[in-house]
Amino acid sequence: DQQVKQNSPSLSVQEGRISILNCDYTNSMFDYFLWYKKYPAEGPTFLISISSIKDKNEDGRFTVFLNKSAKHLSLHIVPSQPGDSAVYFCAASVSGGTSYGKLTFGQGTILTVHP
Amino acid sequence: NAGVTQTPKFQVLKTGQSMTLQCAQDMNHEYMSWYRQDPGMGLRLIHYSVGAGITDQGEVPNGYNVSRSTTEDFPLRLLSAAPSQTSVYFCASCPGGHTGELFFGEGSRLTVL
Repeated sequence: DQQVKQNSPSLSVQEGRISILNCDYTNSMFDYFLWYKKYPAEGPTFLISISSIKDKNEDGRFTVFLNKSAKHLSLHIVPSQPGDSAVYFCAASVSGGTSYGKLTFGQGTILTVHP
Repeated sequence: NAGVTQTPKFQVLKTGQSMTLQCAQDMNHEYMSWYRQDPGMGLRLIHYSVGAGITDQGEVPNGYNVSRSTTEDFPLRLLSAAPSQTSVYFCASCPGGHTGELFFGEGSRLTVL
């Protein structure tokens, strides 16, 4: 059973507009959430994260929002740029030493930003 | 700084053959893991290690074997390849601590005929 779900396989956005990528989770033990970005023929790279004690984390153009009651998080990219075109994976983990490196990933969302 | 290095990048096997995917990291990270990426499934954890000599199973361990004799290396062995193991494999390392952020290699694309 998929514990982390990204229900939108793809998203297309115009350059300069906002991109909103969504992620839902079912396991209430998850307390740390991350977003990864992946270009073709490369490994995923870390983008931004959020702890369950927060509801928002911002890093430049990227903001992650967490709604614990709804078990939902979203990634906002403002403004979107063509270089943001990639696959975005949502991931979750349970804190604790032996859990570090153990992430549960969503299926990914392909973001295409058109010039 | 090389980060996480995986070899080979591409491999074609016949059903029943065995092989080892190599993974090395030069960041002195304590934690290492192997994931496979399949269409519509995201990345799924195969095996992970919390230090030299210590390994454990992830979500999809069947058909794979791992060992961790040094901090740097974490090879993944396919014992008897099956077409269901056709996938892209990613090795990752993690320094631990607050973020749990993973550093991934570039991936190894495996095709089993």
